[in-house]
Amino acid sequence: GAVVSQHPSRVICKSGTSVKIECRSLDFQATTMFWYRQFPKQSLMLMATSNEGSKATYEQGVEKDKFLINHASLTLSTLTVTSAHPEDSSFYICSARGQGEGNQPQHFGDGTRLSIL
Amino acid sequence: AQSVTQLGSHVSVSEGALVLLRCNYSSSVPPYLFWYVQYPNQGLQLLLKYTSAATLVKGINGFEAEFKKSETSFHLTKPSAHMSDAAEYFCAVRAAFSGNTPLVFGKGTRLSVIA
Repeated sequence: GAVVSQHPSRVICKSGTSVKIECRSLDFQATTMFWYRQFPKQSLMLMATSNEGSKATYEQGVEKDKFLINHASLTLSTLTVTSAHPEDSSFYICSARGQGEGNQPQHFGDGTRLSIL
Repeated sequence: AQSVTQLGSHVSVSEGALVLLRCNYSSSVPPYLFWYVQYPNQGLQLLLKYTSAATLVKGINGFEAEFKKSETSFHLTKPSAHMSDAAEYFCAVRAAFSGNTPLVFGKGTRLSVIA
């Protein structure tokens, strides 16, 4: 089945550091990728939608200068948390969907646990 | 707009008992419906999907769900719970023919299985 690889799985770093998270679709071309944030014991909160070769669309309340998203190819999207602070600590999950009509499911990476000290 | 309501944030069943996780959706157009499972510190894994074909959908790990338009429901069931089924389950919806719009998720139901 479709596989999405997300790296790193866990990051611990000091406040003020910028952190890059990679999301790759391994066996299909992901025309659209989604980035989610999940707080403990809660559902997924959509942060942004990115289409290959174009600027990401951010959800209301998500700072685009804080969370930089790049979707440069059909198999790779990156999320960079710039100048991270403790309140940015969370579980970040990427998701990818291939070409075709909307009945295609979204495939998820295994998530990145970000801890800012 | 689409929305999903999962009744019961936590469901507890005995090993071997029936699992029933409830999902009701709201959509002004025909929906596509999905169930995902999440194990601790992992991403989401697709269990099954409904995309306007058969209303009874069979998925992985013995799970199935039935689309009932009259009840706007898509409940997830499994005849006999196993300890390994303990996880968080999310129901999600997307409108048919909606382009690249993301899934809309319910708040999730945590399933506990008691030995």
